[in-house]
Amino acid sequence: GQSLEQPSEVTAVEGAIVQINCTYQTSGFYGLSWYQQHDGGAPTFLSYNALDGLEETGRFSSFLSRSDSYGYLLLQELQMKDSASYFCAVRDRSNTGKLIFGQGTTLQVKP
Amino acid sequence: IAGITQAPTSQILAAGRRMTLRCTQDMRHNAMYWYRQDLGLGLRLIHYSNTAGTTGKGEVPDGYSVSRANTDDFPLTLASAVPSQTSVYFCASSPDRGSEQFFGPGTRLTVL
Repeated sequence: GQSLEQPSEVTAVEGAIVQINCTYQTSGFYGLSWYQQHDGGAPTFLSYNALDGLEETGRFSSFLSRSDSYGYLLLQELQMKDSASYFCAVRDRSNTGKLIFGQGTTLQVKP
Repeated sequence: IAGITQAPTSQILAAGRRMTLRCTQDMRHNAMYWYRQDLGLGLRLIHYSNTAGTTGKGEVPDGYSVSRANTDDFPLTLASAVPSQTSVYFCASSPDRGSEQFFGPGTRLTVL
């Protein structure tokens, strides 16, 4: 089967940098995605890493190391609005488009 | 409408009743998905469809059925609801099976 692990909660202060880690176990791999969810609303796509390395999109970056079965989401210049839940997800080994999600990390940004 | 919509927003249902959750997208996406989200368990895939006329089972398909008669609609049916199906249900779509997924606002379902 496939499983992902991420910390349940992270707290940081406004303006800081925070890293949310994700480790996965999978017999097949087609990339690691990150989604953001505010207050139980619709999850929204943040980033996708198909290959090793860093992908940068504004204040957010995502990193993948396939050899270590590990990735992270890096949020810089934290703002209060970044308080949300963040989910990593891997594509199912059958490559049918199915996503397997981690349990999510709740980020609390404090003033 | 723009994007992906779900109905109803919330529902309280007696156990044993039949219920259909509706999902409609106007983005002409080929792939659609149904997830349930429970506290501490993240999002789990119930059923999916990669194109109109085809469906497949996800992680937790038991007690649920879907149909995909056309590109836009992907209803989820609970034939005989049970309390363990109390959850928040999200519908999602993507242009193809390898693309990012766009989520609807969710349906909060309580089965008593």
